[in-house]
Amino acid sequence: KQEVTQIPAALSVPEGENLVLNCSFTDSAIYNLQWFRQDPGKGLTSLLLIQSSQREQTSGRLNASLDKSSGRSTLYIAASQPGDSATYLCAVIDNDMRFGAGTRLTVKP
Amino acid sequence: EAQVTQNPRYLITVTGKKLTVTCSQNMNHEYMSWYRQDPGLGLRQIYYSMNVEVTDKGDVPEGYKVSRKEKRNFPLILESPSPNQTSLYFCASSDGQYYGYTFGSGTRLTVV
Repeated sequence: KQEVTQIPAALSVPEGENLVLNCSFTDSAIYNLQWFRQDPGKGLTSLLLIQSSQREQTSGRLNASLDKSSGRSTLYIAASQPGDSATYLCAVIDNDMRFGAGTRLTVKP
Repeated sequence: EAQVTQNPRYLITVTGKKLTVTCSQNMNHEYMSWYRQDPGLGLRQIYYSMNVEVTDKGDVPEGYKVSRKEKRNFPLILESPSPNQTSLYFCASSDGQYYGYTFGSGTRLTVV
């Protein structure tokens, strides 16, 4: 059974810092990996989708990488802003979709 | 606008009173699923459907029913809700395993 782990569980940084969120998974036979953002009590907003044949995807200040062989993905956020404060969830899609527990990010002004 | 629509957004009900949470998508997706999200437990899958009339259990199906009579709709039914089903529920749809998932805005259910 696929297990997804996100490290760190929580992260607090000053505005302007570049930061990396980590996601690891146990079974490398995946179709794709998707990063989401969730604000407190709200829904999931898709940030980036990386298909299994891809190594990375970029959207604005966000860059996500995927290394299937090692079971790892990272989400890089450049020049963080207070508006980036949210929980970031990593989801791995094989025959199912399994989520990590998330990283709660706080960006201080 | 492509979206997954859940209703209601908030619901407070009493133990044992049957309820249905609706989910509808306008993207012609074949795959739909339901998740519940609880503090400390993350998102867990309840049921999923690969296509019309095809449904299967996820990780936590006890106490829930689903049906998929039409491609666009995937309602979640709680025949006899209990307080341990108090949670935040999400519906999601996808065009297949090679594509991403789109989530609804969530339904916050409280069973008293």
